[in-house]
Amino acid sequence: QVQLQQWAAGPLKPSETLSLTCEVYGGSFGAYYWSWIRQSPGKGLEWIGEINDRGTVYYNPSLDSRVTISVDTSRSQFSMRLTSVTAADTAVYYCARGRYYYDHSYLYWGQGTLVTVSS
Amino acid sequence: QSALTQPPSASGSPGQSVTLSCTGSSSDIGAYNYVSWYQQHPGKAPKLVIYEVNKRPSGVPDRFFGSKFGNTASLTVSGLQGDDEAAYYCSSYAGTNNGVVFGGGTKLTVL
Repeated sequence: QVQLQQWAAGPLKPSETLSLTCEVYGGSFGAYYWSWIRQSPGKGLEWIGEINDRGTVYYNPSLDSRVTISVDTSRSQFSMRLTSVTAADTAVYYCARGRYYYDHSYLYWGQGTLVTVSS
Repeated sequence: QSALTQPPSASGSPGQSVTLSCTGSSSDIGAYNYVSWYQQHPGKAPKLVIYEVNKRPSGVPDRFFGSKFGNTASLTVSGLQGDDEAAYYCSSYAGTNNGVVFGGGTKLTVL
């Protein structure tokens, strides 16, 4: 049974850096791409980016200049950092995994972490 | 503004069928057979109900049917039940440069 566990994040002020980590339980960590997706309050979903166990990353072009996704295979964890946050970055952030390697239909999701950016 | 366009709301009575649309472009839906649909209940993470246009993950009833024509994908939910009331989001792979694009979601109400 694959489970993705996210940690709660504290409130952020504008211009600060958002950091989130997702730990994976079950399954083979090295056999997949691992993704971050966010959902602004009352809005739709937005793909942030993805990474594999070798550190190959792909980012949403609209966030490319501010986001970094990294992986720690020894801990079965992957993380994201988003710099210079604004109120527009307030959202529930999800980590997710596809059905197979480099698949973009997300079968497994973390529970979501609400990140609030406010002065 | 989302890359894929979905109507904000839809409704149907129990037992009826409803079809939700998702319109993209020749760079996403029209280019790849990697359209997915997600069901999301309030306060919950999205749940995958359709992948690769028309395939259902294990456990998803065959009341959920996906299709695609050109740049538009559709999700048909037949035999509507109360638990089908949820938001439905479509997504499409859009290549290595653009990754994955989502629609803004359709709120399905079961009357």
